[in-house]
Amino acid sequence: DTEVTQTPKHLVMGMTNKKSLKCEQHMGHRAMYWYKQKAKKPPELMFVYSYEKLSINESVPSRFSPECPNSSLLNLHLHALQPEDSALYLCASSLVDTGSSYEQYFGPGTRLTVT
Amino acid sequence: AQKVTQAQTEISVVEKEDVTLDCVYETRDTTYYLFWYKQPPSGELVFLIRRNSFDEQNEISGRYSWNFQKSTSSFNFTITASQVVDSAVYFCALSENTGFQKLVFGTGTRLLVSP
Repeated sequence: DTEVTQTPKHLVMGMTNKKSLKCEQHMGHRAMYWYKQKAKKPPELMFVYSYEKLSINESVPSRFSPECPNSSLLNLHLHALQPEDSALYLCASSLVDTGSSYEQYFGPGTRLTVT
Repeated sequence: AQKVTQAQTEISVVEKEDVTLDCVYETRDTTYYLFWYKQPPSGELVFLIRRNSFDEQNEISGRYSWNFQKSTSSFNFTITASQVVDSAVYFCALSENTGFQKLVFGTGTRLLVSP
C-alpha cells in the first residue's frame, strides 16, 4: 500500500478561523513532509518531520503550526491565515536512511481557500 | 547551491507522438539523487523514478524511458507513443544524500497530449 491520505480535500476558511489539515500513511515511513503549492508553481517545502521530531522548518510563519502525534499521522494547524495562504497543501512521506535519499509519496492534497 | 532547470514550460503533442522532457541540474555534491514526478490535473504528485548519481544506466519502463548523463548534468525523460492520459505537469527534482529529503524541484513542464 503506497497511499497517503489527506483530509479534508477542500477547505474554505475565514482569516479569524482555526482549522487543521490531516495526513496519514501506513507505509512505515519515518519521514513526513508538508508542502505548499501555488498555481503553476512547483511545491515548496514547509516542514519535515523525521522520527516524529521536527527536522526542518523552512521559515514558515507561525500561523502554520505542524504536529506529528505518531509515526503515521501529521497535522497542520492553521490560525489567522491570510488570503495569500490560499494554495494546495500537500503531505508526503518517505523512508529515512542516513546513507540514501528515498522517493516521497504524496497525498492528493487539501485545496485551501482563505477568504 | 542546488538547482534544477526545466526550460520547456509547455509542450503540446498529438497522440502517438514521442516527446522528450528536458531536465538540467546543478550540484556540488558527488552523491545526489534525481527524481521525476507527474502531477495530473487532480493534483497528486505521482512518483515515477529515482536515480542516484553513481548509476548512469538508462532506464525503460513501458512507454517511459530516462536518459541520465552526468557529463551534461542532464536527466531527460522520454514518453514514447504518447497518450491523452499522459497530459500532466512533470517535475524533475534533485536531492542531496541525506537521511530525509530536501527536494529541489524544477519549475515543471506542462505536457498536453491531444487526440
